[in-house]
Amino acid sequence: AQSVAQPEDQVNVAEGNPLTVKCTYSVSGNPYLFWYVQYPNRGLQFLLKYITGDNLVKGSYGFEAEFNKSQTSFHLKKPSALVSDSALYFCAVRSGTGGFKTIFGAGTRLFVKA
Amino acid sequence: GAGVSQSPSNKVTEKGKDVELRCDPISGHTALYWYRQRLGQGLEFLIYFQGNSAPDKSGLPSDRFSAERTGESVSTLTIQRTQQEDSAVYLCASSLDMTGVETQYFGPGTRLLVL
Repeated sequence: AQSVAQPEDQVNVAEGNPLTVKCTYSVSGNPYLFWYVQYPNRGLQFLLKYITGDNLVKGSYGFEAEFNKSQTSFHLKKPSALVSDSALYFCAVRSGTGGFKTIFGAGTRLFVKA
Repeated sequence: GAGVSQSPSNKVTEKGKDVELRCDPISGHTALYWYRQRLGQGLEFLIYFQGNSAPDKSGLPSDRFSAERTGESVSTLTIQRTQQEDSAVYLCASSLDMTGVETQYFGPGTRLLVL
């Protein structure tokens, strides 16, 4: 069965510092991995995805994520956090063996302090 | 172009009543998904439709929940005999998806409160 774990309910970081939001997954076959962001009073928005190829994926708003197969992780990173990055971040996984069912993590709330 | 729209935006109902939630996907998107997000929690997969294939209903929590989709257009999620535990935001998403790797575009959600 597919599963996603976001071990941190909340991440606090100072503006200008690097940020990491962690995600680990379990899936049969090759994974398709996604990050989505939910800003206050706004809908979920796509950030980036890993399907195949380079393990480092670059996405919207300066975010990137690194796929690590041996550690079954797909951590979200940004070199320099902005206050406007404060939001709820969801990691999601889909099995590459077929089917469209996508499993989302519980979410990590990021607070960036000025 | 227009994004995914959902209606109503808010729904308050009494325990035991039936409710119907509507989702209008982005035109041309073949895949449509329903999720539930309880307060302070992540997204819970409910069901997806992909073209003319049989829908994956594996996430529906009980037989009180059902969903329909007409072709590649509107979808309705119906909850019969609502319970207080059904209170949540119900999110719909669509994608231009023949391979399972495309981005999902989410609607604003329907906030359901069962009294």
